Amino acid sequence: DQQVKQNSPSLSVQEGRISILNCDYTNSMFDYFLWYKKYPAEGPTFLISISSIKDKNEDGRFTVFLNKSAKHLSLHIVPSQPGDSAVYFCAASAASGGSYIPTFGRGTSLIVHP
Amino acid sequence: DSGVTQTPKHLITATGQRVTLRCSPRSGDLSVYWYQQSLDQGLQFLIQYYNGEERAKGNILERFSAQQFPDLHSELNLSSLELGDSALYFCASSGATGRNSPLHFGNGTRLTVT
Repeated sequence: DQQVKQNSPSLSVQEGRISILNCDYTNSMFDYFLWYKKYPAEGPTFLISISSIKDKNEDGRFTVFLNKSAKHLSLHIVPSQPGDSAVYFCAASAASGGSYIPTFGRGTSLIVHP
Repeated sequence: DSGVTQTPKHLITATGQRVTLRCSPRSGDLSVYWYQQSLDQGLQFLIQYYNGEERAKGNILERFSAQQFPDLHSELNLSSLELGDSALYFCASSGATGRNSPLHFGNGTRLTVT
C-alpha cells in the first residue's frame, strides 16, 4: 500500500507560468517532507523540505506547502523555466529506530514548454 | 555531481546469477542507503547502514544482502536473480541519520536480468 501518493504522472506548463505538483500521504507519523528532482540518467537531487511544524517553506522560485489536516503537500515553482523539466519525487519520513528513512512517491514528470 | 559514486552503470546478467553493486558515499558521509526503482515505481527503500552497522531495513528480499566496509563504501549483493529484479538501484548517502540530513544520490546502476 502506497503511503506517499503522487496522483499525477505528468504535468505540462508553459514557461513563465506556475507549476503545482501535488502529493498526498497516509501515514500520520510522517513529520518531515522533502521534494527531490531527477533528470534522466541521474540520481534524484534534493530540492526543498518542510517540517510538520511549518505550513510553508520557500527557497527562491520553489515553495512547499503542507496541509497536515488533509495530509497533503504541494510544490509550487514560479516562474517555471524549461530547465525545470524533470521528474519530481515527493518523500516523507518519520523516526524509526533513530533514523529517518524517506518514503518516496512514484514521481510526477514536469515538462515546461518554451 | 552529488559526490556519490556507483559502479557499474549498467549490468546485464542471466536469471539465477549473482551480482554485486558498489557504492562510494560522499566524503565524510557515514550513512549509506540502498533504493530500488522498478518500472513505473517509486523508489523503494531496501536497507541503510551507518558507520558499518545495519541501521534500518525495508522491503529487501532474502536473496539480497548488503554491507558497509570500514572505508564506508557499501556493496549490495543480489543472488538467484529473477526477471523481476530488473530495475535501477540507487545508493544514497547522508552525514547523519536525522531528519535534517537530506540524502545525496548516486546516478544508479541499471540491472537487466534476461
